[in-house]
Amino acid sequence: GEDVEQSLFLSVREGDSSVINCTYTDSSSTYLYWYKQEPGAGLQLLTYIFSNMDMKQDQRLTVLLNKKDKHLSLRIADTQTGDSAIYFCAEKDSGNTPLVFGKGTRLSVIA
Amino acid sequence: EAGVAQSPRYKIIEKRQSVAFWCNPISGHATLYWYQQILGQGPKLLIQFQNNGVVDDSQLPKDRFSAERLKGVDSTLKIQPAKLEDSAVYLCASSSSSSNQPQHFGDGTRLSIL
Repeated sequence: GEDVEQSLFLSVREGDSSVINCTYTDSSSTYLYWYKQEPGAGLQLLTYIFSNMDMKQDQRLTVLLNKKDKHLSLRIADTQTGDSAIYFCAEKDSGNTPLVFGKGTRLSVIA
Repeated sequence: EAGVAQSPRYKIIEKRQSVAFWCNPISGHATLYWYQQILGQGPKLLIQFQNNGVVDDSQLPKDRFSAERLKGVDSTLKIQPAKLEDSAVYLCASSSSSSNQPQHFGDGTRLSIL
């Protein structure tokens, strides 16, 4: 079955860039998503990318996709303490199908 | 645009009791999902509805879990009887009927089984 892998923890200093990495196994993945989850809250959609793209930028967020290696990354520029949260990578294929999530990366921002 | 609404936010019950969760999706969203998120894990799909029909319930433990979306809008998820391993956050998500539209999540219901 499909699998999505992420490193579990990342710690950065305020003002630095954060890079959260994700790998997936499903070669039919068409859409790849990044969600943010703060304590006690649901999942907030941050950004998503189609598999025919290799980069998407949205303000402080940059998503890079290497489809050959099935590797996705999320870069957060000028990381702030408010960015501390768990970040989930998720993928789905082209049908009306559910998301397959990784276990999440806990980002800690040190002031 | 109002987001996905879920209630209650928290529920504590004893094992073997029953519990129900409610979800109101974003207006106009035809597809509704229930996910289970166990502590330290990513969400996993329990059931997916398209309007009032079930699209995928292959991961739903049907001996104890049930869900319905009778009028194609609100949905309820029920657990009867609850087991200790059902302790989790139950997330509802919705999306428009187009497959390339992202899913939007509610804040979830945190269930603790004693």
